[in-house]
Amino acid sequence: EVQLVESGGGLVQPGGSLRLSCAASGFTFSNYWMNWVRQAPGKGLEWVASIKQDGSEKYYVDSVKGRFTISRDNAKNSLYLQMNSLRAEDTAVYYCARPPHLGELQNGMDVWGQGTTVTVSS
Amino acid sequence: AIRITQSPSSLSASTGDRVTITCRASQVISSYLAWYQQKPGKAPKLLIYAASTLQSGVPSRFSGSGSGTDFTLTISCLQSEDFATYYCQHYYSYPWTFGQGTKVEIK
Repeated sequence: EVQLVESGGGLVQPGGSLRLSCAASGFTFSNYWMNWVRQAPGKGLEWVASIKQDGSEKYYVDSVKGRFTISRDNAKNSLYLQMNSLRAEDTAVYYCARPPHLGELQNGMDVWGQGTTVTVSS
Repeated sequence: AIRITQSPSSLSASTGDRVTITCRASQVISSYLAWYQQKPGKAPKLLIYAASTLQSGVPSRFSGSGSGTDFTLTISCLQSEDFATYYCQHYYSYPWTFGQGTKVEIK
């Protein structure tokens, strides 16, 4: 079964750090781009970051540039999101997501984890 | 960044109705648009990619159309399980952006 399982969320104070993980199974992880998407409470979806199969290309939404780092370990079938200098507006459910097809082009995201909740509050 | 304007923000419909949701991009995005369905407390589900290609396993009552800047998601005969929030998302270039969402409610 193709599966993504996020972990690492929790309550953190403003200015703090957190590292999210996403464990992949049921497919050849190293063949796919991977993504993080978040959803603030009661709000819509926001794409956060993407990483290429070999980690050579990374892209971020402007609001997290310089604070968040996406990375992956293909040997461990794992995706990560290092979040530093956290702000209240980073409070959200964070999903990792995979495109439907392997290769160069991402055609949306069809495999999603269950999400992990990050709360930034004092 | 490319802005995506989705409308309406909500709609009320009855089972069996035909429903149309639109998204407009602030610049040409070719056909690099996806549609998702999300139910409360659940992850989004990919319905359509490349503006009009139905994702495997998605019922044929869902269809997508458009290219360039204007796109449409149509549900031809609304079923009870279709009451949810729908989002469009472009992937023409980074940063990707989503529409604001359309909540489809029971009339």
